[in-house]
Order: sequence, then C-alpha cells, then structure tokens
Amino acid sequence: EAGVTQFPSHSVIEKGQTVTLRCDPISGHDNLYWYRRVMGKEIKFLLHFVKESKQDESGMPNNRFLAERTGGTYSTLKVQPAELEDSGVYFCASSQVTGGGETQYFGPGTRLLVL
Amino acid sequence: AQSVTQLGSHVSVSEGALVLLRCNYSSSVPPYLFWYVQYPNQGLQLLLKYTSAATLVKGINGFEAEFKKSETSFHLTKPSAHMSDAAEYFCAAGRGSTLGRLYFGRGTQLTVWP
Repeated sequence: EAGVTQFPSHSVIEKGQTVTLRCDPISGHDNLYWYRRVMGKEIKFLLHFVKESKQDESGMPNNRFLAERTGGTYSTLKVQPAELEDSGVYFCASSQVTGGGETQYFGPGTRLLVL
Repeated sequence: AQSVTQLGSHVSVSEGALVLLRCNYSSSVPPYLFWYVQYPNQGLQLLLKYTSAATLVKGINGFEAEFKKSETSFHLTKPSAHMSDAAEYFCAAGRGSTLGRLYFGRGTQLTVWP
C-alpha cells in the first residue's frame, strides 16, 4: 500500500511568488491534515479536512494560504503571495478512524524556501 | 490548550548505551500520545502510541514508552542504542480516539557515537 506522498519535495521561490503544494493521502483515508515546521520550532497544525470539507482551519496563519481538497482525494495548499516567514517544511498526514482509534500517517514533507 | 514539552533538543549517547528521550504533556484530560521518528531526508514515521489500553507501550525498533499520569510524562526509552537510531524524535498528543490536530513537541535530535 502506497503511503502519503507529497510534491514537490523541495521548492525555492522568491518573495511575492506563488507556490502550490500537493498531497496525496493513503487511499481510502477520509482525514487529511496539513502541518508546518518552521526551522527550530515545533511542528504546527494548519488545517484538517474530512473528505472534501474543512473540519478545522484554525491553524492557517493568514489569508495568503488556501487549501483545497476537491473530490475528497488529493489536497493542495497554495501560498500566494509567499513571504520570507513562510519558509519551512510542510507536512501532510492522512488517517482513517478504526476500532483502534486514529493514527496519522505522514508524508515526507515539502521543503519550501522563500528568498 | 494542550502543550507538549520535550526536554533536550539534542541527546548524544554511545552505541550500546541506554536511550532516554523525555516528553511531558499538559492537559486536564489524559490525551492520546505518540512518538514519531524522522530519519534524514524522510518523513515522520510512527514509533508507538499510547491509547489508554496499557501504560507501557512497545513500539518498533526496540523502543518503548511508559505513560505516567502522576508525572504527566511519556518518556521514550531503548535499552541499547544502535547507530541506525540516529534521527530526530517527536512526541505528540491528540485529544481522543478521533484525534483532530496533533500537538507536537519541538523534537529531540539523537546522535549515536560509535
């Protein structure tokens, strides 16, 4: 079974440009999460989808960030326009609730550098 | 709000020595607790999780963690370190069986010396 995949693995852009990150969850997982780790700090929650609906987007830093999950499969996270402080590693995770509870499975992350 | 504290951003041990990575959480309700590991250039991999079934949780690669409610701790241990254990370790907490967001500690970088 394929794990969570993320694309691109790395992205270097200039301040003011737009970047779109993609996450493909494990097949059949209804829950999809985005997290971000800024250098030297903890991994922080951004938002949570259940299927195509935003369950919790309280972690989104500002309106320059837009997440979508059309059709309840893959998700995109767009940053427009990018600022220097947006640099970091963006992780995606997916999960399915079972009798044993919920475990989030993480992708390898996208390393974003804004110059 | 829940918070997770990992004491020590860097831990160094010799190969064969005991590994102890510390994690404390704050919450009025015992959460679900996790340890994840990130090897260089890879994503986060689940090591083990506590879901209230047993206070001593065994994970992969010989790691285990003990939930101590009185100390609000969930420290990760391994009796004998191996070079391949060198990685960054993250403690995380979620609210319940349907987790929602996870709250992470800042991570502990483990170095293993030969």
